[in-house]
Amino acid sequence: GEDVEQSLFLSVREGDSSVINCTYTDSSSTYLYWYKQEPGAGLQLLTYIFSNMDMKQDQRLTVLLNKKDKHLSLRIADTQTGDSAIYFCAEINSGNTPLVFGKGTRLSVIA
Amino acid sequence: EPEVTQTPSHQVTQMGQEVILRCVPISNHLYFYWYRQILGQKVEFLVSFYNNEISEKSEIFDDQFSVERPDGSNFTLKIRSTKLEDSAMYFCASSLNEAFFGQGTRLTVV
Repeated sequence: GEDVEQSLFLSVREGDSSVINCTYTDSSSTYLYWYKQEPGAGLQLLTYIFSNMDMKQDQRLTVLLNKKDKHLSLRIADTQTGDSAIYFCAEINSGNTPLVFGKGTRLSVIA
Repeated sequence: EPEVTQTPSHQVTQMGQEVILRCVPISNHLYFYWYRQILGQKVEFLVSFYNNEISEKSEIFDDQFSVERPDGSNFTLKIRSTKLEDSAMYFCASSLNEAFFGQGTRLTVV
């Protein structure tokens, strides 16, 4: 079945950029998502990219998609302590089929 | 801003008891989902619901699980006879295009 892989941990200094990477196996992915989960909280949709796009920018967030390599990244510029959370990459095949999630990357921001 | 709401936020139940987890999806959404996240693990798909019936379910969603949309607003997940391994965070989601998630219900089976 489809799989989504992420590195488990990332630590950055406040003010630096963070880059969280994700790889996926489903070549039929149509949408790719980034969700944020703060401790004890739900999943907050941060941003998403459609599979025919290479890049999407939304304020401090930049999503890059390399469809050939099935690689997705999330760059957070000027990382703040409030960005500390677990970030999940997820992909969807078509329409409203279920999301397939990665295990999440725990981002720690050091002041 | 519209949001998916889930109740309760935390439920503790004894093994073998039935639990019902409740969700109010975003009102104009058509697709509804339940996912679960065992502590420290992936978010796993359980079931999707569309047009008043299950459209897809995972192998986790066995006979002890059921879903209902009893009225126009609520979407429930029932676990008939809870097991220790059902302890997890259960997320409801609804979508038209992007899926929006609730804050989750933490279920603890003791």
